[in-house]
Amino acid sequence: AQTVTQSQPEMSVQEAETVTLSCTYDTSESDYYLFWYKQPPSRQMILVIRQEAYKQQNATENRFSVNFQKAAKSFSLKISDSQLGDAAMYFCAYRSAYNNNDMRFGAGTRLTVKP
Amino acid sequence: DAGVIQSPRHEVTEMGQEVTLRCKPISGHDYLFWYRQTMMQGLELLVYFNNKAVMDDSGMPKDRFSAKMPNASFSTLKIQPSEPRDSAVYFCASSWRGPVGYTFGSGTRLTVV
Repeated sequence: AQTVTQSQPEMSVQEAETVTLSCTYDTSESDYYLFWYKQPPSRQMILVIRQEAYKQQNATENRFSVNFQKAAKSFSLKISDSQLGDAAMYFCAYRSAYNNNDMRFGAGTRLTVKP
Repeated sequence: DAGVIQSPRHEVTEMGQEVTLRCKPISGHDYLFWYRQTMMQGLELLVYFNNKAVMDDSGMPKDRFSAKMPNASFSTLKIQPSEPRDSAVYFCASSWRGPVGYTFGSGTRLTVV
């Protein structure tokens, strides 16, 4: 079974600085999709960015980018120019491209942004 | 589209009572998922449907939980009888197959006293 590990329960960043959240996963599959979700205090789960495993180019969405290392099974999220509104729980997730279509989530990283 | 709609947003019930959570997925999505979120266990998949059929309910306690999807635009998750350990936030999400993320509802916070 696929597992997703987020080794940083909490992270802190100064406003306008850059922070990187770590995620590793375990799978024997060759094709899959990876995601980062943000959950602010409102508890709404918001998709931040996604990456398809067969694509070598790292995904970017405005201030959010990923560092996808397929061989190392690593999928980190970089937030540039951090804003107060970025404060939230961040979840890394894995979705198989094959039979199981459910998404596996990591335990989450709580990001605090200091003014 | 209004997104995934869940009701109620909050539910407080007494132990032993029946609880029904409701979900309306995004029109056209053929996958529907029910997750439970707690501090201790994080996000756990309870059950998911593809084209209204249950694909995997291995995460759902079968003795007290049941999930149905009578049509493409409606699903329910029922707990009977409810227990304090069922207190959690329950999310419904829907999706197409493929390299797309799920769209989540706003969740139902269930408190069983």
